[in-house]
Amino acid sequence: NAGVTQTPKFQVLKTGQSMTLQCAQDMNHEYMSWYRQDPGMGLRLIHYSVGAGITDQGEVPNGYNVSRSTTEDFPLRLLSAAPSQTSVYFCASRSSGDATNEKLFFGSGTQLSVL
Amino acid sequence: LAKTTQPISMDSYEGQEVNITCSHNNIATNDYITWYQQFPSQGPRFIIQGYKTKVTNEVASLFIPADRKSSTLSLPRVSLSDTAVYYCLVGDKEYGGSQGNLIFGKGTKLSVKP
Repeated sequence: NAGVTQTPKFQVLKTGQSMTLQCAQDMNHEYMSWYRQDPGMGLRLIHYSVGAGITDQGEVPNGYNVSRSTTEDFPLRLLSAAPSQTSVYFCASRSSGDATNEKLFFGSGTQLSVL
Repeated sequence: LAKTTQPISMDSYEGQEVNITCSHNNIATNDYITWYQQFPSQGPRFIIQGYKTKVTNEVASLFIPADRKSSTLSLPRVSLSDTAVYYCLVGDKEYGGSQGNLIFGKGTKLSVKP
C-alpha cells in the first residue's frame, strides 16, 4: 500500500529552468492538492483538484501549473524556476466519498532548491 | 486568509498532559475541525477530527464547545516522541469545490523535554 508517492525527493535547479514534480496516489482518491512549506510559514496551498480534468488555484498559485488527466496523478510544473520557489513541496490526497471527511494523506515531500 | 489561530509554540515535560487550543471564530456550519501532526522532514499526519462536543481516539482527545468557535487538542502523558508541529484546520468552502479545501496555518510547535 504505497499511499501518496512523490518524486523526486530532492532537486536543485538553476533560475529559469523548468521541471515537474510528480505525485501519484493509489487510493482512488478524487481530491488531490499541492502545498509548499517554508520555514516559519506553515503549509500554503498552491493548487488543488477535485477530480480528473478539474483543477483550481489555492493561496499561492503564481509560478505553478497543474493538470489532472488521471485520478492517480497530479503533477506540479514550474515553467521558469525562481529562487523564491525554494521550498519543500507536499502532495496530498483525500477521499471525496464523504464530503465531511477531510482527512488528508500526505506524501513524504520534495525539497527543491533554486539557485 | 487565516481561518484559525493557535499558539506558535508550547513546552512540556514527559508524562504531562498537553492542551493546545485553537480559535476559529468564523467557522461555518458545515465545517469540521481537524488536527494534524508533523514531524521534521515528513508530511503532516492526521490525528483527530470532530464537529462538536468531544472526540477521543487512541492518540488524542478533541474538545469542542457548543459555539464551536474554538477547539482544544489534548495529548495525554506526552513523551519525547510527541515533539512536533500541530496544525488545527477547519474546512474552507470559500476556495470552491463541493468538498472545500483545507488551509493550514503556522501550527503550534510542541517541544517535550525529559
